[in-house]
Amino acid sequence: GENVEQHPSTLSVQEGDSAVIKCTYSDSASNYFPWYKQELGKGPQLIIDIRSNVGEKKDQRIAVTLNKTAKHFSLHITETQPEDSAVYFCAASKNQAGTALIFGKGTTLSVSS
Amino acid sequence: DAGVTQSPTHLIKTRGQQVTLRCSPKSGHDTVSWYQQALGQGPQFIFQYYEEEERQRGNFPDRFSGHQFPNYSSELNVNALLLGDSALYLCASSPEAARGEKLFFGSGTQLSVL
Repeated sequence: GENVEQHPSTLSVQEGDSAVIKCTYSDSASNYFPWYKQELGKGPQLIIDIRSNVGEKKDQRIAVTLNKTAKHFSLHITETQPEDSAVYFCAASKNQAGTALIFGKGTTLSVSS
Repeated sequence: DAGVTQSPTHLIKTRGQQVTLRCSPKSGHDTVSWYQQALGQGPQFIFQYYEEEERQRGNFPDRFSGHQFPNYSSELNVNALLLGDSALYLCASSPEAARGEKLFFGSGTQLSVL
């Protein structure tokens, strides 16, 4: 089955710096890669997603890149702000009905001002 | 739009007891999935319901069962609770047409087994 590895487990940056979180997946049939942000006491919130037919996607300060050949995908956050502090999860799945999201173990991002 | 709502928010049970968790999906969503999130870990897929039937199941024992009602709401039941069942239980919903994409999660039920 699918396995998703996520690094680093913790990441500390100064406000205004960029943050990069990386994930690898094992199942070459996976074709949908979302990123979720989870704040304390809340459920995961979808922040950006990408399909395998796209190499990069941006949404304001957030971008995701995908390298299908290497089975790598990454989350890039620019101009970080204290409110970006949270746990971030990558996930992978096949784009078909009934499929499950397989999550990485998460990255705790701390942005200090 | 209320989003995905789960109840209760917190629950304390003892070993061997049974528990029922409830979920109302986001308006317009007809597919409900349940995930277990242990402390410091990513969510793990338990099962998914569509058209009132369990369609897909993760690597969880039969002690975990569920139900989906005609209004798309869902229940997760866990029998013979073990200490290791202590976790945050998350419900996620999506429209079937999204083919597994755009899952919206609730805030979860924190289950503690003593």
